[in-house]
Amino acid sequence: SQTIHQWPATLVQPVGSPLSLECTVEGTSNPNLYWYRQAAGRGLQLLFYSVGIGQISSEVPQNLSASRPQDRQFILSSKKLLLSDSGFYLCAWSQDRINQPQHFGDGTRLSIL
Amino acid sequence: GESVGLHLPTLSVQEGDNSIINCAYSNSASDYFIWYKQESGKGPQFIIDIRSNMDKRQGQRVTVLLNKTVKHLSLQIAATQPGDSAVYFCAENIIGNQFYFGTGTSLTVIP
Repeated sequence: SQTIHQWPATLVQPVGSPLSLECTVEGTSNPNLYWYRQAAGRGLQLLFYSVGIGQISSEVPQNLSASRPQDRQFILSSKKLLLSDSGFYLCAWSQDRINQPQHFGDGTRLSIL
Repeated sequence: GESVGLHLPTLSVQEGDNSIINCAYSNSASDYFIWYKQESGKGPQFIIDIRSNMDKRQGQRVTVLLNKTVKHLSLQIAATQPGDSAVYFCAENIIGNQFYFGTGTSLTVIP
C-alpha cells in the first residue's frame, strides 16, 4: 500500500531563517505531488504541484519554492522566512490519472517568531 | 442533524444518530468530488469520492449524494460514533487533478 511521510511535524523558526520541509511517498511510482497551506478556518491553498521530476508549477506568488529531486520526493523551501509564512503545511500525492483522490501527509505546523 | 455547508460550520449530534453534512459547489463543469475527514493536528483523510455520472455512492457507514441540478453534495454518516468527531470538507475537481477545497464543517459527537 502507498504511504506518505512528511517531516518535521512541528517547526519553530526565526524570521529570516531558511526552511526545508520534506515529503516522501512510498508504494507508487510517478505520482503527482502537491504542497498546500492550510490557514485556520480556511480551505486548503495549493502552493505547488508537480507531475514529474524537476517539473514544478507554482499557483501563487510567494516567498516559497519547491523542488522534486527524485520521483517520490517533494521539498518545500524558503531562503528567508517571513512572519506571514506561519501555518500548517500539507503534502499530498495522487495517481497520475484524471479523477483521482489526493492523499495527504500529517502536515507540518510552522511557527515563525 | 443537518448543516448547510459554509453557513453553519458546526454540527453536534448524539452518538448513534445519523449525521448529514452538506456542501455547495460552484463549478457546474466539475466532474469529480471527494469528502475528507480531518482530525485535529492531522492531515485530511480520504473518506469517499463520487463522479458526476453518479447520484449516490455508499461506503462503510457513509453515503455521498450528488445533486448536479443545484450543485449540492452531502455526506451522510450512519450511527455516528465519538471517533467521527472531526472537520469534514468537500473537494471539487476544477482542472486536471487540482481541486477546490471547502472550509469544512466541524462535527461533534455527544456521547
